[in-house]
Amino acid sequence: KNQVEQSPQSLIILEGKNCTLQCNYTVSPFSNLRWYKQDTGRGPVSLTIMTFSENTKSNGRYTATLDADTKQSSLHITASQLSDSASYICVVSGYSTLTFGKGTMLLVSP
Amino acid sequence: EAGVTQFPSHSVIEKGQTVTLRCDPISGHDNLYWYRRVMGKEIKFLLHFVKESKQDESGMPNNRFLAERTGGTYSTLKVQPAELEDSGVYFCASSHRTGFYEQYFGPGTRLTVT
Repeated sequence: KNQVEQSPQSLIILEGKNCTLQCNYTVSPFSNLRWYKQDTGRGPVSLTIMTFSENTKSNGRYTATLDADTKQSSLHITASQLSDSASYICVVSGYSTLTFGKGTMLLVSP
Repeated sequence: EAGVTQFPSHSVIEKGQTVTLRCDPISGHDNLYWYRRVMGKEIKFLLHFVKESKQDESGMPNNRFLAERTGGTYSTLKVQPAELEDSGVYFCASSHRTGFYEQYFGPGTRLTVT
């Protein structure tokens, strides 16, 4: 069964601090892994997309890593801002369908 | 460029009633997807259109759900009759092509069945 597990479930950090979110997956076949940011009341917005051959990809203060051998990914947020408060969802793609994790709810406090 | 839009944003209906959700994809996107998130669970795939054809409807929960995409533009998702377990947020997404291409999500329709 295709599954995507994320940890932690929720996280509170102080503004300006860094944090790392984790994602483990058991999805086959594997095409790519995506990290989405979902603000409350909005749809998910793509942050990064990585294929199995990519180890890291950055988008501003967001850096995603992928270890296709261990089927693990992480999302590192640098110098957090209040606007980073959101749910971060790890999504693994097969040929055409996406398997979603439940997300990590991040709260950045002043 | 306008994003994916969904209507309504919220819908509250009674068990046994019918509800129709609408999704307008980004202009020119042939691929349209429906997803659902029920409370406490992850977002799950429902179905995938390529233009007006259903490419994959393996995620549709049962025959009370009917999706259409006449003319390959906007899509509707009808739930008839609605049950309590149908409550959740229904997302629509579109993409130019399948595979590696990014899917752009709409804001979702929150459906509450009472």
